[in-house]
Amino acid sequence: AQTVTQSQPEMSVQEAETVTLSCTYDTSESDYYLFWYKQPPSRQMILVIRQEAYKQQNATENRFSVNFQKAAKSFSLKISDSQLGDAAMYFCAYNPEGNYGGSQGNLIFGKGTKLSVKP
Amino acid sequence: NAGVTQTPKFQVLKTGQSMTLQCAQDMNHEYMSWYRQDPGMGLRLIHYSVGAGITDQGEVPNGYNVSRSTTEDFPLRLLSAAPSQTSVYFCASRTRGGGYTFGSGTRLTVV
Repeated sequence: AQTVTQSQPEMSVQEAETVTLSCTYDTSESDYYLFWYKQPPSRQMILVIRQEAYKQQNATENRFSVNFQKAAKSFSLKISDSQLGDAAMYFCAYNPEGNYGGSQGNLIFGKGTKLSVKP
Repeated sequence: NAGVTQTPKFQVLKTGQSMTLQCAQDMNHEYMSWYRQDPGMGLRLIHYSVGAGITDQGEVPNGYNVSRSTTEDFPLRLLSAAPSQTSVYFCASRTRGGGYTFGSGTRLTVV
């Protein structure tokens, strides 16, 4: 079965520092998508970043970047220059659909990492 | 604004009551899903649809029913509410290969 594991239930970072959230996944597919979602206290689920498995280049969105290690099935999220507004639950998610076809799967989520930002 | 509209935001039910959570999207997305979120469990898939007239079960389908008569709408029905169904429910839609756009969630309490 395809699974997503976030091994850090809680993390803490000082404002303006950098933090890395870990995510590993288990799959036999070669073509798929990976995502990081942010859920602040408002409960809204917000897409932070998206990575296509066939692309070797790591995705970047402003202060957010990923370290995608396909062979290791690892997909970590780095937040640089952390801000108070980054405090939230972060979910890693896997989509088994590929750019060139593949199964019509659904997003599979990890259990989340709660990030606190200290002023 | 384009997006996923989910209603109601809050609901309290008595055990045994039925209700429908509404979900609509105006982005012409093929895929729609319902998830429930419980503390420490992340998001778990209840039902999903890959297009109008097509639905399938997810990880935790028992006690829930769905239909997809149009591309836009994907209601979730609780047939006979139980306290174990107390949760936060999210509807979401996406295109193939894309990330989900989520509704704002429904906090449901069954007493």
